[in-house]
Amino acid sequence: DAKTTQPNSMESNEEEPVHLPCNHSTISGTDYIHWYRQLPSQGPEYVIHGLTSNVNNRMASLAIAEDRKSSTLILHRATLRDAAVYYCILRAGNAGGTSYGKLTFGQGTILTVHP
Amino acid sequence: GAGVSQSPRYKVAKRGQDVALRCDPISGHVSLFWYQQALGQGPEFLTYFQNEAQLDKSGLPSDRFFAERPEGSVSTLKIQRTQQEDSAVYLCASSLGWQNTEAFFGQGTRLTVV
Repeated sequence: DAKTTQPNSMESNEEEPVHLPCNHSTISGTDYIHWYRQLPSQGPEYVIHGLTSNVNNRMASLAIAEDRKSSTLILHRATLRDAAVYYCILRAGNAGGTSYGKLTFGQGTILTVHP
Repeated sequence: GAGVSQSPRYKVAKRGQDVALRCDPISGHVSLFWYQQALGQGPEFLTYFQNEAQLDKSGLPSDRFFAERPEGSVSTLKIQRTQQEDSAVYLCASSLGWQNTEAFFGQGTRLTVV
């Protein structure tokens, strides 16, 4: 599986934007970029995913570099409820592959939000 | 609720005891995954079902681990002769299909082997 690299931790203040970076220099042409987050004592929760174009949803925005070797998850206004571990994951999108969409989690980025 | 349900939430087992962990996926979801999460680590893939077929069990750490989904809905992860290194949170996830659809996770079962 292609590997992602994320900072171990980041801090933010409440109501400020947060930019969470992810490097994935070995990404293949069929890999989708997925972001999940895990709140304390909860299972992971889907945040957003994309292939080439930037994506927006109610939770966040995903900015994907033109060469697709990096991406950034953007939380526009952090709240205390956004404090979690954020995982950047490459998920194979090729039909007939053997990954079946399984998620390969790394260590993730621990986001701390200060009031 | 309509989410993925796992039971029990907590399980304490004596070393050598067999345990069974249950997962109720979202109704109609074809894909079901089991993951193991050690303290301070990201979840690690254990096994995958597409309906009742177990298509990938490459992540199961030993032959003491066994999973089944006989009717393509509820799944059970069984661990025989538990050992201390089996202590972890076991997470179940389901998705409508395998191709890039959102995976929904349960809250997990925290297994402690003493």
